[in-house]
Amino acid sequence: QSVLTQPPSVSAAPGQKVTISCSGNTSNIGNNYVSWYQQLPGTAPKLLIYDNNRRPSGIPDRFSGSKSGTSATLGITGLQTGDEAEYYCGTCDSSLSAYWVFGGGTKLSVL
Amino acid sequence: QVQLVESGGGVVQPGRSLRLSCTASGFTFRTYAMHWVRQAPGKGLEWVALISYDGSNTYYADSVKGRFTISRDNSKNTLYLQMNSLRPDDTAVYYCARGIYGSGSYKHLDPWGQGTLVTVSS
Repeated sequence: QSVLTQPPSVSAAPGQKVTISCSGNTSNIGNNYVSWYQQLPGTAPKLLIYDNNRRPSGIPDRFSGSKSGTSATLGITGLQTGDEAEYYCGTCDSSLSAYWVFGGGTKLSVL
Repeated sequence: QVQLVESGGGVVQPGRSLRLSCTASGFTFRTYAMHWVRQAPGKGLEWVALISYDGSNTYYADSVKGRFTISRDNSKNTLYLQMNSLRPDDTAVYYCARGIYGSGSYKHLDPWGQGTLVTVSS
């Protein structure tokens, strides 16, 4: 059971838009920056979004992030088959059980 | 370029110990915090441990507290994870990742190593 809640899966057709939600509380998302990670099949995770809504160099502007209160959202427009991957949100947590937490992950299928 | 390479994984019996290493290159290792994150087969990411840039502060997930120890040797640009009393549910790919700190908190992990597989089985 992850501290951050994500939908297990989302799907959309090529060229369409999809959003992935990440829900937490005031111990984590509510008072810290959120980041998003993309894990393509068989590979290590890669930073996709940091500081809630900023993209590292090399990440296309089809990917966007936002945060409101204790929730965050990853948006992907112009879906491509190469976007099929697992997506994780992550943030710092001020509770005693963990200093950093991830969401359970969302599998994106581009149909 | 910035690179992290893990090593030390393998098959180990329950109750035994194993030490993982993560060798860093392409950045000033001694100025960055470092994380260990694991991923059990077919499962999601689980944060394991964090060490500050100078090793003075360490943090652990409840699931490994008291059994695992994170440490670093800044003279060797190397991060370690000493894993004792291993259990079958510790079986996972273990990743090291650079921690980015700012505005009073740890903000994100970038980049990640390729991972090393640890299998705990008799």
